[in-house]
Amino acid sequence: GEDVEQSLFLSVREGDSSVINCTYTDSSSTYLYWYKQEPGAGLQLLTYIFSNMDMKQDQRLTVLLNKKDKHLSLRIADTQTGDSAIYFCAETGDSSYKLIFGSGTRLLVRP
Amino acid sequence: DSGVTQTPKHLITATGQRVTLRCSPRSGDLSVYWYQQSLDQGLQFLIQYYNGEERAKGNILERFSAQQFPDLHSELNLSSLELGDSALYFCASSVTSSKNIQYFGAGTRLSVL
Repeated sequence: GEDVEQSLFLSVREGDSSVINCTYTDSSSTYLYWYKQEPGAGLQLLTYIFSNMDMKQDQRLTVLLNKKDKHLSLRIADTQTGDSAIYFCAETGDSSYKLIFGSGTRLLVRP
Repeated sequence: DSGVTQTPKHLITATGQRVTLRCSPRSGDLSVYWYQQSLDQGLQFLIQYYNGEERAKGNILERFSAQQFPDLHSELNLSSLELGDSALYFCASSVTSSKNIQYFGAGTRLSVL
């Protein structure tokens, strides 16, 4: 079946690194995504990784993909208070159209 | 700004009513997706249109329907509204119909009283 699991909450101090983890079930996913949702706002595409890659870096963001364990992580370096939001992991699963989302990880950055 | 425009931002209505949510995709995108975000169900795919044709259906109730017009904007129609339909409804768009990056609008928050 299709399922994406995330931990619900993460609290870090400003300036530290944050690591948000996600596990997924469908190994046929072509892309895996990270979206960010700030309060009252829409879903902002943060980054994505193609399934044949192990790592992708984009400024302060690093995505690691472990296909064997079906584990995806998002590392945010030098976390700022503006990074406080809910982060969603998503996969395409065996479908070619819909995104399957995790329940979201709420990141709280303490000053 | 993702380039996907949704109107209205907020909608408050009563049970039994009907509402229409509108979405304009990013310029050049042919595919439109609708998702529902609720506290108990999380983010769920509802339906996809590609170049005016329905392409895929997800967990969409029979009381809900959608269409995509020749100018590629899409509307989601919700009828016989119930309290449980209160949610955030997102539209997303992508260039083609499959395995593409989906960009989301800011959503329409529907409150059914």
